[in-house]
Amino acid sequence: QIQLVQSGPELKKPGESVKISCKASGYTFTDYAMHWVKQAPGKGLKWMGWINTYTGKPTYADDFKGRFVFSLEASASTANLQISNLKNEDTATYFCAREAEASYYFDYWGQGVMVTVSS
Amino acid sequence: EIVLTQSPTTMAASPGEKVTITCRASSSVSYMHWYQQKPGASPKPWIYDTSKLASGVPNRFSGSGSGTSYSLTISSMETEDTATYYCQQWSSNSPTFGAGTKLELK
Repeated sequence: QIQLVQSGPELKKPGESVKISCKASGYTFTDYAMHWVKQAPGKGLKWMGWINTYTGKPTYADDFKGRFVFSLEASASTANLQISNLKNEDTATYFCAREAEASYYFDYWGQGVMVTVSS
Repeated sequence: EIVLTQSPTTMAASPGEKVTITCRASSSVSYMHWYQQKPGASPKPWIYDTSKLASGVPNRFSGSGSGTSYSLTISSMETEDTATYYCQQWSSNSPTFGAGTKLELK
């Protein structure tokens, strides 16, 4: 069955970096784009951008340009999200989500990674 | 960027009651998608392409709409339907979500 399994929770200090992984299984990784979605505590969903899993090209939403980097380990069917120079407002749960085939929605989601930024 | 406005923000329904959640877009969109999220869990695709039920979704749920106005309807509220529901659109290569509607049991 199709699964997206993300790495574990992270506790970081302001200014540090974090790298989150999303390992896909049950399908051909390079056939589907992977997206990232942020959910701050008690808040709604915010689309961060996506990565073309075939070419490796990332695309970032305007609010996530600069400190955020999407990358791949295609041989391991894994997508990564790295956030540098962490700020308190980066405290959130980060989801990876697969783009559905032939339709513009997200058909599979990871379980989410809670990143806490606190001094 | 297309802004999605959901209403109501929060609502409570009794078992058996009909529930309607609306999502209005700031510009016309071709389709609307809906997700269900329960506390501590990831969102689940619930209705896609405006009116298609995702796998496993009970048929008491339905979706409709066009242009700038879309809705999710539950024909008869059940306990398990308590959750937050988000609408989502995708245009100009920029997906956006509504702020969510929290549905509680009365």
